[in-house]
Amino acid sequence: DADVTQTPRNRITKTGKRIMLECSQTKGHDRMYWYRQDPGLGLRLIYYSFDVKDINKGEISDGYSVSRQAQAKFSLSLESAIPNQTALYFCATSDPGPPHTDTQYFGPGTRLTVL
Amino acid sequence: AQSVTQLGSHVSVSEGALVLLRCNYSSSVPPYLFWYVQYPNQGLQLLLKYTTGATLVKGINGFEAEFKKSETSFHLTKPSAHMSDAAEYFCAVSVYDMRFGAGTRLTVKP
Repeated sequence: DADVTQTPRNRITKTGKRIMLECSQTKGHDRMYWYRQDPGLGLRLIYYSFDVKDINKGEISDGYSVSRQAQAKFSLSLESAIPNQTALYFCATSDPGPPHTDTQYFGPGTRLTVL
Repeated sequence: AQSVTQLGSHVSVSEGALVLLRCNYSSSVPPYLFWYVQYPNQGLQLLLKYTTGATLVKGINGFEAEFKKSETSFHLTKPSAHMSDAAEYFCAVSVYDMRFGAGTRLTVKP
């Protein structure tokens, strides 16, 4: 079984709809991340969480919110989806090394299309 | 804020040839540097990372990278390309958070 899973893997929705992307991990890591990937832009950090009570904004948090329901679960929400949020979304976790040196482990991604 | 520039969005090499993927970074403090690889329809996985110590870092699948502070570079190399190396490669810098480059797609010709 995969260590980091994301659901759904693919989603098509309409402008204005609320969408939730879910991430679960069995690695036992405290740190979790949400990124979006756009062609030619690489990955950009949306939100990250260093433990259940810690939530931090990343480089591009506007239009997104997150919930850390448990150590193993980190959800990303789009309250009112818009077409420029069409992208590939990745969840990641990282091992408990010194901050910012840790290796990140990525899920398989969720492809979101907003019409 | 820290940033990364990957030179060349596409690189094509013949099987058995040298692979060189270029990465330059910008950071006001000593950075931590990473190379990740993404195979089709998969998430990213770590190839190698530089934190402190030896500036020549060896990774998985025969890849290595050298941290050159004077050149603010962290180029990725592999002496002999294999067909299985075809993928997208991302350089990343971590200071306050992780910042990725735009990626370089490597094609390996038979």
